[in-house]
Amino acid sequence: ETGVTQTPRHLVMGMTNKKSLKCEQHLGHNAMYWYKQSAKKPLELMFVYNFKEQTENNSVPSRFSPECPNSSHLFLHLHTLQPEDSALYLCASSPFLGRLNTEAFFGQGTRLTVV
Amino acid sequence: TQLLEQSPQFLSIQEGENLTVYCNSSSVFSSLQWYRQEPGEGPVLLVTVVTGGEVKKLKRLTFQFGDARKDSSLHITAAQPGDTGLYLCAGDMNNNAGNMLTFGGGTRLMVKP
Repeated sequence: ETGVTQTPRHLVMGMTNKKSLKCEQHLGHNAMYWYKQSAKKPLELMFVYNFKEQTENNSVPSRFSPECPNSSHLFLHLHTLQPEDSALYLCASSPFLGRLNTEAFFGQGTRLTVV
Repeated sequence: TQLLEQSPQFLSIQEGENLTVYCNSSSVFSSLQWYRQEPGEGPVLLVTVVTGGEVKKLKRLTFQFGDARKDSSLHITAAQPGDTGLYLCAGDMNNNAGNMLTFGGGTRLMVKP
């Protein structure tokens, strides 16, 4: 196992469902990120964790709830989502937050469809 | 208004042609990165440029950072179908939480055989 792994790769959920996205990194990094990628929009940073502590919440609605139990794992809990939340959700990690030349390693993403 | 503007947004060319993609901002970045994203995958880092005026080459790809560190370009020579994908630039700038990446809207490139 190498790099950043996201599960599931695809998810279809109803607006009343509760689901979770999982991200795991085997790179020994200390910073982890959730990004949202919608059609016709730039990658949007949602949450940042550094050494398991949340350092950034980019005005994300409370129906998205992140969890970082350790530096290797990151979850995104989803509940009562809206159809406009359908997007590709990307997890990324980097060695450290707050260092210059921050290189992000991305997972393959979870393609979420809300019906 | 996006912090990083990429142009063009879409580009469809024939194999063997040359192309240039631009990434522009009014902000100064400590460094700038280029990523390529293929369908169904996450972005993969191609290069990081740090110094104003810096030029880096990766086989047929040439990356340049503007002198003022506000803009960058990616030039591809003799494009091949394998170059097809979404090209993203990302600027590294400091905020209260530390250095963070801000992404441009991307250039979607299709190279036809």
